[in-house]
Amino acid sequence: AQSVSQHNHHVILSEAASLELGCNYSYGGTVNLFWYVQYPGQHLQLLLKYFSGDPLVKGIKGFEAEFIKSKFSFNLRKPSVQWSDTAEYFCAVNPLNFGNEKLTFGTGTRLTIIP
Amino acid sequence: NAGVMQNPRHLVRRRGQEARLRCSPMKGHSHVYWYRQLPEEGLKFMVYLQKENIIDESGMPKERFSAEFPKEGPSILRIQQVVRGDSAAYFCASSPQLSTGSNTEAFFGQGTRLTVV
Repeated sequence: AQSVSQHNHHVILSEAASLELGCNYSYGGTVNLFWYVQYPGQHLQLLLKYFSGDPLVKGIKGFEAEFIKSKFSFNLRKPSVQWSDTAEYFCAVNPLNFGNEKLTFGTGTRLTIIP
Repeated sequence: NAGVMQNPRHLVRRRGQEARLRCSPMKGHSHVYWYRQLPEEGLKFMVYLQKENIIDESGMPKERFSAEFPKEGPSILRIQQVVRGDSAAYFCASSPQLSTGSNTEAFFGQGTRLTVV
């Protein structure tokens, strides 16, 4: 079964700092990869996704992520964070295996931005 | 096009009662997923359903929990004889088929926060 690891459980940064959140997955086949964000008290929203093609994908609000197949990683980055980025971030993987539709999530990284 | 609708948003139940959580998928989506988020934990997959079929229930507790997605109406997650440990946020997501390689995604509802007292 596939699994997703997010090693940073809680990250605290000052505004304007650069951000990188780690995500590693274990699955030998082809995958779709996602980052979701959950603002306090709200539902999950898609930040960005990778299906194929350019391994550097750009999402909303200045976020980007890079898929490195050899490292089974899909790290999320933002050059300069804002206070409004305070939220919980979830990495998810969906294997391209017909009949196995479920998204497997990491445990999440709580990001706190200090003004 | 309305998003994924979950109700109620908040549900309080006493131990031993039943909890029914409803999820209406986005229009045109035939796949529904239920996830549970316990305090300080990530999202745990519970069950994946298509219309009238349970496809994968590997994340469902063996007892007291059941799910359905009838031909008409919303998907229902049912928890019988609730206990304190069932207190969590339950999220529903819907999608077209995900694993075709097409550029699609799962859309989440706002969740139902269940509190067992």
